[in-house]
Amino acid sequence: EPEVTQTPSHQVTQMGQEVILRCVPISNHLYFYWYRQILGQKVEFLVSFYNNEISEKSEIFDDQFSVERPDGSNFTLKIRSTKLEDSAMYFCASSVGLEETQYFGPGTRLLVL
Amino acid sequence: KQEVTQIPAALSVPEGENLVLNCSFTDSAIYNLQWFRQDPGKGLTSLLLIQSSQREQTSGRLNASLDKSSGRSTLYIAASQPGDSATYLCAVRPGTGGFKTIFGAGTRLFVKA
Repeated sequence: EPEVTQTPSHQVTQMGQEVILRCVPISNHLYFYWYRQILGQKVEFLVSFYNNEISEKSEIFDDQFSVERPDGSNFTLKIRSTKLEDSAMYFCASSVGLEETQYFGPGTRLLVL
Repeated sequence: KQEVTQIPAALSVPEGENLVLNCSFTDSAIYNLQWFRQDPGKGLTSLLLIQSSQREQTSGRLNASLDKSSGRSTLYIAASQPGDSATYLCAVRPGTGGFKTIFGAGTRLFVKA
């Protein structure tokens, strides 16, 4: 069964460094999302991406964040200058259509020191 | 602003018991509602998706209902098993034409053998 994959599974970085989190959505899906979950808190929407552009972003998704679909398979989330409060689990998700089930990847656990 | 609440926060039941998890949302204008399962340190697994025009969905031992007018959804698990132990998340896509999904904090379920 097709699944969303994410790399790396864990990343440790120093405050102020740039990180890129990578995702490979399910191949025939058209909608792509990033979410984050700070330890012990709710899953929070960050951004959605459709037709090669951001379709919606939350207040969390400020200028430090960017997303890209550099080729036909990868979907990346970049954090330009990490802060301690960026430490969280980051999930990528994809869906065939807006009204369809979202399928989540296993997540990348980011720790900013 | 749409808010999603899940009650109870935690639940411990003996194996074999039927149980109901509750989800409420503040704005009845939703596009769809999705139930997920999350195992510790893992990603989200989609269980059931209910469109706004539907009243319920069933998959195996799981049944989810939706009552938009009262802002409620329930997830019914029949004949619970230890393998059902996980956190169950309810997520709502607001019906305002956007792409975001809003999550509840989840119900942590423990099924005792």
